[in-house]
Amino acid sequence: EAGVAQSPRYKIIEKRQSVAFWCNPISGHATLYWYQQILGQGPKLLIQFQNNGVVDDSQLPKDRFSAERLKGVDSTLKIQPAKLEDSAVYLCASSLFTSGKSYEQYFGPGTRLTVT
Amino acid sequence: GEDVEQSLFLSVREGDSSVINCTYTDSSSTYLYWYKQEPGAGLQLLTYIFSNMDMKQDQRLTVLLNKKDKHLSLRIADTQTGDSAIYFCAESPPLYGGATNKLIFGTGTLLAVQP
Repeated sequence: EAGVAQSPRYKIIEKRQSVAFWCNPISGHATLYWYQQILGQGPKLLIQFQNNGVVDDSQLPKDRFSAERLKGVDSTLKIQPAKLEDSAVYLCASSLFTSGKSYEQYFGPGTRLTVT
Repeated sequence: GEDVEQSLFLSVREGDSSVINCTYTDSSSTYLYWYKQEPGAGLQLLTYIFSNMDMKQDQRLTVLLNKKDKHLSLRIADTQTGDSAIYFCAESPPLYGGATNKLIFGTGTLLAVQP
């Protein structure tokens, strides 16, 4: 079974530029998550999709971050304009079930973003 | 608040047991998890425990849960150099009427295994 795919693996941009990350979840997984992991911290959820609808985006900085999941499969996360504090690893995860059941969130390798 | 706490660093000798501790915040969390992260890699689910259990054993891993104190621990028996990694505990509080199952992670514990 193929895992969660993410691209690019690394990205370096200057502040105020824009950047986009792509995620392809495991086939058949209805739920997709984007997490931000700042160096030395645990991952923090940015947004959760159930199919192509948003379930939770309470911690997404909506003035600069946006995400979409067209057709309920692949997802893109965009930052525009980037700030220095956006430097982090952006992790995508997917899972088969949502609430009320035990589930596993399968994580991709992440995209390491450096904003200079 | 949403602060899951872990000690930052643990050093053990190969062959010894490792115990990584975690204090979580939401007593209504249904599942509690342990994830492993190796350098440059994503997170790998090691094990999880349902909140009505006190203990779960899975090969070299033993999870202990103390709901009263909101304390979770992961014991790794016969620790190997390949176990060197960052270990995260995570809780999944039933927010928004159960419509979301986001994970709230601790800060991670770096386990260093000395040969």
